[in-house]
Amino acid sequence: LAKTTQPISMDSYEGQEVNITCSHNNIATNDYITWYQQFPSQGPRFIIQGYKTKVTNEVASLFIPADRKSSTLSLPRVSLSDTAVYYCLVGEGPSGTYKYIFGTGTRLKVLA
Amino acid sequence: DAGVTQSPTHLIKTRGQHVTLRCSPISGHKSVSWYQQVLGQGPQFIFQYYEKEERGRGNFPDRFSARQFPNYSSELNVNALLLGDSALYLCASSLRDRVGDEQFFGPGTRLTVL
Repeated sequence: LAKTTQPISMDSYEGQEVNITCSHNNIATNDYITWYQQFPSQGPRFIIQGYKTKVTNEVASLFIPADRKSSTLSLPRVSLSDTAVYYCLVGEGPSGTYKYIFGTGTRLKVLA
Repeated sequence: DAGVTQSPTHLIKTRGQHVTLRCSPISGHKSVSWYQQVLGQGPQFIFQYYEKEERGRGNFPDRFSARQFPNYSSELNVNALLLGDSALYLCASSLRDRVGDEQFFGPGTRLTVL
């Protein structure tokens, strides 16, 4: 069973770049890596997804090394509104036995 | 367009009771997944349904069951409630059951078991 681990918490200042790493040592060959943002009392919100190398969208970048045993979410120039919990998500297994595995979550606090 | 909707928003039950939680996916989405999120922890996968069939199951006891209806809405049932079942129950919908399909989450149902 895949296990994903993340740093428990991080602090940053407004305008800085934040990098959050997730370890997923047992990720299967067909798994994607997805990152979500969650505010208190809300459901997770999709940030970015990738399979390998680097993916960039309008809000973040995702770096995945060749062995795919980890991934790094990069948030450029964070603001106070980026204070939230960030989760990585991997899936595993064929159809019928499929499981989604969320990481332990990283609580990001952005300071003024 | 409406997002994923869940009902009820909050629910209080006592130990041993049964509960049914409901989820309506985004229009056009045929897959629904259920997660349990205990306070301070990440969501834990319970089930995934696609086209009314179970496609995936997490490590939860048989007290947890679910089903999906022809209109793709879904119900999560929990029998013989325990104090430890107190959590936020999240529903997520996606277009299909394919690996990599983006999941869109609802606001959740907060279940409290006394």
